[in-house]
Amino acid sequence: QVQLVESGGGLVKPGGSLRLSCAASGFTFSDYYMSWIRQAPGKGLEWLAYITASGSTIHHADSVKGRFTISRDNARNSLFLQMNSLRAEDTAVYYCARDGRFTSMSPTDYWGQGTLVTVSS
Amino acid sequence: EVVLTQSPGTLSLSPGERATLSCRASQTVDSKYLAWYQQKPGQAPRLLIHGASSRATGIPDRFSGSGSGTDFILTISRLEPEDFAVYYCQQYHRTPRTFGQGTKVEIK
Repeated sequence: QVQLVESGGGLVKPGGSLRLSCAASGFTFSDYYMSWIRQAPGKGLEWLAYITASGSTIHHADSVKGRFTISRDNARNSLFLQMNSLRAEDTAVYYCARDGRFTSMSPTDYWGQGTLVTVSS
Repeated sequence: EVVLTQSPGTLSLSPGERATLSCRASQTVDSKYLAWYQQKPGQAPRLLIHGASSRATGIPDRFSGSGSGTDFILTISRLEPEDFAVYYCQQYHRTPRTFGQGTKVEIK
């Protein structure tokens, strides 16, 4: 079955960096677009970024553009989110999610359980 | 950016009642690219509906979606105890993908 397991969350000071990882299994990872989505405590869902199946194209939300970078390693079935210049408002649960097979025009059909990132001094 | 506005913010209903949730887009969304998700406390969201009206795998038929253009509806025909949760719409027609702010369906 499809499994997405995030890791790398934790407490970081404002201005700091963190790298999130997502280990994928149960499907052909290299066929699928992947996304990162976050949810601040008690708030709604915010899409952050997606990456094409090959990793050749990426898109980021304006709120994180220039600070966060999505990437993937298809040989290791892994998705990453490099987060720099972190702010208090980046505090959230970060979800790794699967999108479409060779297309972005497909819903997010599987989500990991999320990893909590807390930005605080 | 496509802004999705969900209403109402909270829906207070009893088990067995019908729930009607609205999602309005700030610009036309091709109905092929509108999804609904359910989220329970402490859990990741779960895909319910894609393409505005197609149920995802394993989703019971009491959940149905409809709509086109800028107005979309999620209907739960008869609420079961496990349906009390927060529901989000999402468009994946344009980047950035955007979500509505959510509708909480609570027990009356």
